[in-house]
Amino acid sequence: AQSVTQLGSHVSVSEGALVLLRCNYSSSVPPYLFWYVQYPNQGLQLLLKYTTGATLVKGINGFEAEFKKSETSFHLTKPSAHMSDAAEYFCAVKGKAGTALIFGKGTTLSVSS
Amino acid sequence: DAGVIQSPRHEVTEMGQEVTLRCKPISGHNSLFWYRQTMMRGLELLIYFNNNVPIDDSGMPEDRFSAKMPNASFSTLKIQPSEPRDSAVYFCASSLGQQPQHFGDGTRLSIL
Repeated sequence: AQSVTQLGSHVSVSEGALVLLRCNYSSSVPPYLFWYVQYPNQGLQLLLKYTTGATLVKGINGFEAEFKKSETSFHLTKPSAHMSDAAEYFCAVKGKAGTALIFGKGTTLSVSS
Repeated sequence: DAGVIQSPRHEVTEMGQEVTLRCKPISGHNSLFWYRQTMMRGLELLIYFNNNVPIDDSGMPEDRFSAKMPNASFSTLKIQPSEPRDSAVYFCASSLGQQPQHFGDGTRLSIL
């Protein structure tokens, strides 16, 4: 079975500061891992994904995440926050083909000027 | 490319009424998912289909909820009778194989 834990339901940073959103997963099979972003009144948009291969994954809007198997983590980072990054971020895990994504509870990112 | 299309975007109805939510997945995708999002419970998987066949409906809250996928390009989620606690945003998503799921913009449902 798969599960996801996102540490911190709310993260606040200043514009230009480092963004770090934490995600730990549990999976009985090699996981596929995803980060999605949700802006107010919108659906979820894919930021980046890890399937196999390179453990450092780059996504849209300057975000990246590193898959660390030994730590069962897939933390999301961005070197410099922008006001437009304020949104809710979801980490998700998927097991074998044909199964559904299992989402974490989400982290709301606030960016102050 | 057309994304996942959900209708209606907003629905307000009275308790006890039947509610039908609709979803058109991305053409060529073979998996379809229905999720519910609330402040208290976050994003919950309700049911998903592979090749139009329901695979896992363990997330469907109770018998008042039902979902169908009569063909590869259409799915419905029905609530009958509706209750105030069903108020939430309902998302449909679709995918192909191990590719990421693509989400619709959701239906915001309010049951008075």
